[in-house]
Amino acid sequence: QVQLVQSGAEVKKPGASVKVSCKASGYTFTNYYMHWVRQAPGQGLEWMGIINPSGGSTSYAQKFKDRVTMTKDASTSTVYMELRSLRSEDTAVYYCARDIAVAYYFDYWGQGTLVTVSS
Amino acid sequence: EIVLTQSPATLSLSPGERATLSCRASQSVSTYLAWYQQKPGQAPRLLIYDASKRTTGIPARFSGSGSGTDFTLTITSLEPEDFAVYYCQQRSNWLTFGGGTKVEIK
Repeated sequence: QVQLVQSGAEVKKPGASVKVSCKASGYTFTNYYMHWVRQAPGQGLEWMGIINPSGGSTSYAQKFKDRVTMTKDASTSTVYMELRSLRSEDTAVYYCARDIAVAYYFDYWGQGTLVTVSS
Repeated sequence: EIVLTQSPATLSLSPGERATLSCRASQSVSTYLAWYQQKPGQAPRLLIYDASKRTTGIPARFSGSGSGTDFTLTITSLEPEDFAVYYCQQRSNWLTFGGGTKVEIK
């Protein structure tokens, strides 16, 4: 069965960086794009960007394009999301989510990783 | 950026009642719209995509309709497990989500 397992919770200081991992299993890793979506406490969902695990090409939401990098390691079926220059407003649960066959909808989600930014 | 406005913010209903949730787009998204359900402490779950296509395993009581700028998610008879927050999402121009509708027990 399809599973996306994310790394554990992080606490970071303002200005630091965080790198969250998402390990995929149960399907052919390179056949499905992967997205990152975040959710601030008590708030809605916000799309951050997408990575093609086959070639590694990426596309980022305008809001994040200067601070985020998404990468992949096909040998371990893992995608990564690094967010730099963290501020308190970046406190959120970060999800990886698999694309439903290049349709830009999300059919499987990781369990989420809470990133807390606090001095 | 396409803004999705969901209404109402909260819907208070009893089990067995019909739920009608609305999602309005600031410009046409054709039928490139999905609906997700999210329960507390869980990741969202895809219910409907392309406005009206039900994902595998989603009960028939969930249905989606609409095109252009106005969309509806209907739950014909609420089950106890349906009380949750529902989000719409468009993929016509980049990707954005609506603010959510909470369906709560009356």
